[in-house]
Amino acid sequence: DTEVTQTPKHLVMGMTNKKSLKCEQHMGHRAMYWYKQKAKKPPELMFVYSYEKLSINESVPSRFSPECPNSSLLNLHLHALQPEDSALYLCASSQDPWTSGNEQFFGPGTRLTVL
Amino acid sequence: AQRVTQPEKLLSVFKGAPVELKCNYSYSGSPELFWYVQYSRQRLQLLLRHISRESIKGFTADLNKGETSFHLKKPFAQEEDSAMYYCALSSLYNQGGKLIFGQGTELSVKP
Repeated sequence: DTEVTQTPKHLVMGMTNKKSLKCEQHMGHRAMYWYKQKAKKPPELMFVYSYEKLSINESVPSRFSPECPNSSLLNLHLHALQPEDSALYLCASSQDPWTSGNEQFFGPGTRLTVL
Repeated sequence: AQRVTQPEKLLSVFKGAPVELKCNYSYSGSPELFWYVQYSRQRLQLLLRHISRESIKGFTADLNKGETSFHLKKPFAQEEDSAMYYCALSSLYNQGGKLIFGQGTELSVKP
């Protein structure tokens, strides 16, 4: 399996809801990433996990909570979001964050709408 | 500061015309440069990286350290090349594989 998968494809939630986004890869990659992308804008990095440990948090509000239960799985827990958090959330993985030529493989994204 | 600049938000060409998408970067060190492409309703995917020096789908890109540029070129554009193109930079030595993206250029190839 050479793809990054994300579920759900679409999610609509209210500002008081708690939901989770899921990302999975079975390529043996040891780095996983969460990005937020607005329409026709570049992805904005949110979090990086290296070898299942959080290595980068780009000052993301605490209403976003990442979790890496194992080397294949990455979750993003959402709570008390704001309408401006509506966006496409992308997951990516790469073989090893510390080697050169480190291509990131992206998932198709979860389209999140916060009402 | 590390920065990637793509000066053109939108580039429109006719089929068969040459195309060049510009990318300039700012980095004090040895960066790795990439071009990623996002076709409509498809996932973001790697198109080219400078260390491999290959041609993909007829596209090439050369790293010019003197001009700090990594422009993407194709001699004859095709309609299926229409997409968003992002130039990205990654540091070789730190930051856990962090990619810094440019603002993107939307390429529109007209028939």
